[in-house]
Amino acid sequence: GAVVSQHPSWVICKSGTSVKIECRSLDFQATTMFWYRQFPKQSLMLMATSNEGSKATYEQGVEKDKFLINHASLTLSTLTVTSAHPEDSSFYICSAKVQGWSPLHFGNGTRLTVT
Amino acid sequence: GQQVMQIPQYQHVQEGEDFTTYCNSSTTLSNIQWYKQRPGGHPVFLIQLVKSGEVKKQKRLTFQFGEAKKNSSLHITATQTTDVGTYFCAGITGTASKLTFGTGTRLQVTL
Repeated sequence: GAVVSQHPSWVICKSGTSVKIECRSLDFQATTMFWYRQFPKQSLMLMATSNEGSKATYEQGVEKDKFLINHASLTLSTLTVTSAHPEDSSFYICSAKVQGWSPLHFGNGTRLTVT
Repeated sequence: GQQVMQIPQYQHVQEGEDFTTYCNSSTTLSNIQWYKQRPGGHPVFLIQLVKSGEVKKQKRLTFQFGEAKKNSSLHITATQTTDVGTYFCAGITGTASKLTFGTGTRLQVTL
């Protein structure tokens, strides 16, 4: 149980375009989902907390106008990287939890390359 | 802000040797979780510790939560090549819902 599906697995886009990444909880409802960014050989950095039916809470230093998060239902959150630039190239991972302090269940991640 | 550091950053062992990674938080934690990330993969939950001084075992893995709830450790006995990956601790402070991940320890195991 507690499967999180993330699409696409990888994407290559041109500088200036936008990319949407989807994160779905397949067998449970997730009122809260989290979006992380990970550079090679580094830790996971929390970008934002996505709350169903309300605005996302962004971490300090994360541009909310650049990284648009929508959590329209209890099973789907999307992250849109707008006007992507090469420095946005990274591994983006979503996660969800069932409740409270329960463990995070991660999607497989999306490797974004901006050329 | 809260910082969670892990040492060592990297360790290379021969199969059969033991391995330990240490996790230290700048603030007292409500609980701590451990995750393993294989190369190219996503983090997978291993265990959660909540009580001060708690020790939990999973086969060859032993997890410990410090008395002051500011540090933790993961010890692997007799490593195997399947143990290769990066091990992250992640802590929650107070009643916050978000996890702060440690810096990670990358383990390489060779025959």
